[in-house]
Amino acid sequence: DIQMTQSPSTLSASVGDRVTITCRASQSISSWLAWYQQKPGKAPKLLIYKASSLESGVPSRFSGSGSGTEFTLTISSLQPDDFATYYCQQYNSYSPVTFGGGTKVEIK
Amino acid sequence: QLQLQESGPGLVKPSETLSLTCTVSGGSISSSSYYWGWIRQPPGKGLEWIGSIYYSGSTYYNPSLKSRVTISVDTSKNQFSLKLSSVTAADTAVYYCASLDTGGVCDYWGQGTLVTVSS
Repeated sequence: DIQMTQSPSTLSASVGDRVTITCRASQSISSWLAWYQQKPGKAPKLLIYKASSLESGVPSRFSGSGSGTEFTLTISSLQPDDFATYYCQQYNSYSPVTFGGGTKVEIK
Repeated sequence: QLQLQESGPGLVKPSETLSLTCTVSGGSISSSSYYWGWIRQPPGKGLEWIGSIYYSGSTYYNPSLKSRVTISVDTSKNQFSLKLSSVTAADTAVYYCASLDTGGVCDYWGQGTLVTVSS
């Protein structure tokens, strides 16, 4: 299976900060990577697919980049609604779906 | 817009079989555009994909759970189901059903249901 490693596991930031979360795959997954946001007690919400494509309705302050084994999720200016946990997910068709361990974005 | 809703017992005894159903509304489970999947999340932990099914009945399971998992689809009821056998406390989790596009992206999710394994 392809292992997904996120860093950091926790991130403390202030409103207005630029935030970057990294996700590394144990082998190349081309651009088959998605990012989700999860708030306490709620289901995850799709933010980005195919590494850099923004899901409809998701604010443009969210962006994704990368290919192969290294990917990033960037929030250009952190808003109060963005404090949550973020997960990456690989969906390479030749391997079972796997998720990263999550990054919790906390208020500094 | 698709809506998904999980249903089933919230408490299961150790060694028994966990059974959950996901009802899909706002679209047909027979759509060729989607797979239908189960994902779980133990309390305070991350997400784990359990498996997925296509309307034709083709299934794909997490190798770590494959020996205990069965996912089935009932197109007449627009539902799909999960059975997980021989459960232990480690199977205590919030179980989500989701639609996956043909690539594997989970674009619509149910609200999740907590299943506790305890005697």
